[in-house]
Amino acid sequence: GESVGLHLPTLSVQEGDNSIINCAYSNSASDYFIWYKQESGKGPQFIIDIRSNMDKRQGQRVTVLLNKTVKHLSLQIAATQPGDSAVYFCAGGSNYKLTFGKGTLLTVNP
Amino acid sequence: DAMVIQNPRYQVTQFGKPVTLSCSQTLNHNVMYWYQQKSSQAPKLLFHYYDKDFNNEADTPDNFQSRRPNTSFCFLDIRSPGLGDAAMYLCATSRERVRGNEQYFGPGTRLTVT
Repeated sequence: GESVGLHLPTLSVQEGDNSIINCAYSNSASDYFIWYKQESGKGPQFIIDIRSNMDKRQGQRVTVLLNKTVKHLSLQIAATQPGDSAVYFCAGGSNYKLTFGKGTLLTVNP
Repeated sequence: DAMVIQNPRYQVTQFGKPVTLSCSQTLNHNVMYWYQQKSSQAPKLLFHYYDKDFNNEADTPDNFQSRRPNTSFCFLDIRSPGLGDAAMYLCATSRERVRGNEQYFGPGTRLTVT
């Protein structure tokens, strides 16, 4: 089955620095991958997704990179702000079903 | 302008006492999902409704049931809550049940079992 995991459970960065959150997956059958942001007491919020036939996708201040050779996914956040502090989940998707990774807690220090 | 609403936000129930969690949506989406998220863990899909069609995940305990009386509402029933059922329960919706269709999450209901 699908297994999606994260390399680091916590990440602490200085405000203004770039953040990189990593994720490994085991099931090559995932059609797409999504990054979610979950703030304390709230539900996951969609950030960006990438289809399995792509290797890079950019959004506003965020970039997702997919390396299918090593089954690795990363989320890059440019100029990290205090409002970016949250838990970030990657999720692998096949059809409608999402399988979430464990999550990385990002803390932005002022 | 909340799109996926969950009530209550916090629920306390006693061991073995049935409890119902509620979700409503203003998006008119066809699909509604229920996830369980235990402390410091990832959300885990319990089941979903595609329109009126109920789809259970293979490893969801029988203790968990769901009802969807209309497009807007979906309920999660826990028939006999155990201490291990304490968790955040997330409701999500998507327009269709197709690849990559974005799921919109509600804020969750945190369930405590005493």
